[in-house]
Amino acid sequence: GAGVSQSPSNKVTEKGKDVELRCDPISGHTALYWYRQRLGQGLEFLIYFQGNSAPDKSGLPSDRFSAERTGESVSTLTIQRTQQEDSAVYLCASSPRLGGDSNPRPTTNEKLFFGSGTQLSVL
Amino acid sequence: QKEVEQDPGPLSVPEGAIVSLNCTYSNSAFQYFMWYRQYSRKGPELLMYTYSSGNKEDGRFTAQVDKSSKYISLFIRDSQPSDSATYLCAMRYNFNKFYFGSGTKLNVKP
Repeated sequence: GAGVSQSPSNKVTEKGKDVELRCDPISGHTALYWYRQRLGQGLEFLIYFQGNSAPDKSGLPSDRFSAERTGESVSTLTIQRTQQEDSAVYLCASSPRLGGDSNPRPTTNEKLFFGSGTQLSVL
Repeated sequence: QKEVEQDPGPLSVPEGAIVSLNCTYSNSAFQYFMWYRQYSRKGPELLMYTYSSGNKEDGRFTAQVDKSSKYISLFIRDSQPSDSATYLCAMRYNFNKFYFGSGTKLNVKP
């Protein structure tokens, strides 16, 4: 597809259940991010994948959260033993590449392209 | 203290008004500044980005950065009902960390 695709668009689950969220990035994009957006709040960084490098997991809020990405393709975010405070929109974004701090100017390649998100509701 | 502070609004203005959206930040290492627009039930989309102090204009939109005051603004001229959305400021210094404001919800009334 032309854009970042996320599924499901909505997920309602019971407290204590595991959920798996999927992100299909734009083809050829090496960087992939997961963010969480609680109601009325900004985007909270969760995890970042860049090519074959080790992912930056520094934003994951607890060990109940994990994410995987195979190569430069699909990523899944898994939340185990869901809690009510996990209710939020989970957004995935991809980017062609990031220039790094040595690059003096950002280019269009550093744009983040977001999916429409998965609305997760934990009852 | 949050890295990025943004007035959540909501902001309601009549069509044709000039809108000013603002963010402040605490980390002087931020180098790149962006504004994203997010329509209801959609992901954010990049509206403007800049890396230097001063103004950058794109149509009805002007992004302003004042690094000395750690303050950025987005101005919308001749606002339209289609501009009704949540506007998020974002900034980064590390090549993989984008820091987002909490978003300002804007409603432009016809």
